[in-house]
Amino acid sequence: DTGVSQDPRHKITKRGQNVTFRCDPISEHNRLYWYRQTLGQGPEFLTYFQNEAQLEKSRLLSDRFSAERPKGSFSTLEIQRTEQGDSAMYLCASSLETLNAEAFFGQGTRLTVV
Amino acid sequence: RKEVEQDPGPFNVPEGATVAFNCTYSNSASQSFFWYRQDCRKEPKLLMSVYSSGNEDGRFTAQLNRASQYISLLIRDSKLSDSATYLCVVNIPNNNDMRFGAGTRLTVKP
Repeated sequence: DTGVSQDPRHKITKRGQNVTFRCDPISEHNRLYWYRQTLGQGPEFLTYFQNEAQLEKSRLLSDRFSAERPKGSFSTLEIQRTEQGDSAMYLCASSLETLNAEAFFGQGTRLTVV
Repeated sequence: RKEVEQDPGPFNVPEGATVAFNCTYSNSASQSFFWYRQDCRKEPKLLMSVYSSGNEDGRFTAQLNRASQYISLLIRDSKLSDSATYLCVVNIPNNNDMRFGAGTRLTVKP
């Protein structure tokens, strides 16, 4: 399967713990996006990479969130000191660099903070 | 003003009906527009891109109105399998990343 893959698919953590999610994009895609989605809402933009450069980060994102894409391939999203409000589906997508390029999504990581 | 706004619905229509969704965007410099479909508990998938001249794919027609900064999606002859959430997506010109609307939920009933 050469689609976008995310790991883990589900994560349950206690409030205050740190969590890290991984996204492996489609290999030739140089754009990578992270979104968060809660029930009944559309995907909310978190951050965006072009190759290894993080070009945009949502102003809504607190300092507890950090993302990396060290070699321009896979990416990690870390949430420190998790809060119950962080419970959501975290979606990763990748695309080519062309203007109307389709973004392909992974199946997401569902985070539950208890 | 939100970057991308959609009527959340829900839209409940009978099979065979025609239904239309609208979406407005705030950045007049946006250049790429899409409709994505998301089934319950699944990831979003591209339904169609939206081109300046409008485009059609079978029962689906997408239109762009740059002057009024909105895009639309028309579904003709609705099928039960069209039941899903339809997400409007617009690019942000500075870095060309993508922003999603909150989605419009459609239920097609027998």
